[in-house]
Amino acid sequence: GAVVSQHPSWVICKSGTSVKIECRSLDFQATTMFWYRQFPKQSLMLMATSNEGSKATYEQGVEKDKFLINHASLTLSTLTVTSAHPEDSSFYICSARALGQGPNTEAFFGQGTRLTVV
Amino acid sequence: TQLLEQSPQFLSIQEGENLTVYCNSSSVFSSLQWYRQEPGEGPVLLVTVVTGGEVKKLKRLTFQFGDARKDSSLHITAAQPGDTGLYLCAGVDRNNNDMRFGAGTRLTVKP
Repeated sequence: GAVVSQHPSWVICKSGTSVKIECRSLDFQATTMFWYRQFPKQSLMLMATSNEGSKATYEQGVEKDKFLINHASLTLSTLTVTSAHPEDSSFYICSARALGQGPNTEAFFGQGTRLTVV
Repeated sequence: TQLLEQSPQFLSIQEGENLTVYCNSSSVFSSLQWYRQEPGEGPVLLVTVVTGGEVKKLKRLTFQFGDARKDSSLHITAAQPGDTGLYLCAGVDRNNNDMRFGAGTRLTVKP
């Protein structure tokens, strides 16, 4: 299957700093990438939908100024957690759907990034 | 808010037993997908169902999509310890193509 690479796999940062997480589709072009957040023993909560060349669409309750999403190319989307606080500590996962495919096309997931803010 | 109701949330069974996980919604989805997630990793796709009433089999796993495309089930026959994991259903919103997840079913199969 297609490969989505997420980097870094884990990161520890100090409170108040910013952290950037990258999501790359390695062998296909992705018009749409999704960013999720997952708390321990819970399911994935959609944070935002990222479309190449346009602004991301954020879910209700997700602060767009805190979670900056950039989808500059068909193979790369980034999520930047700005001014991180301990409550931002979580498992962040991206997924990508291939270019030119309909909504029923499967989405492929990155391996996730565990963010710990101390 | 989860649009998909998944049940049960936790399930602990003995090796060899059968089980069924349900995924229900009041919304109609253009497709529904089942994933399995290991701790610390991203979800891995098991199957995509698109047509109402569709049944797909993957070895000991049987997936069914409801006729109205609002619900789905995953049945595992003769469960094995290797089936242990978090099973997630996800529906693709037919209006905006967003993919949303159910709460997940954490399955433990004891040897």
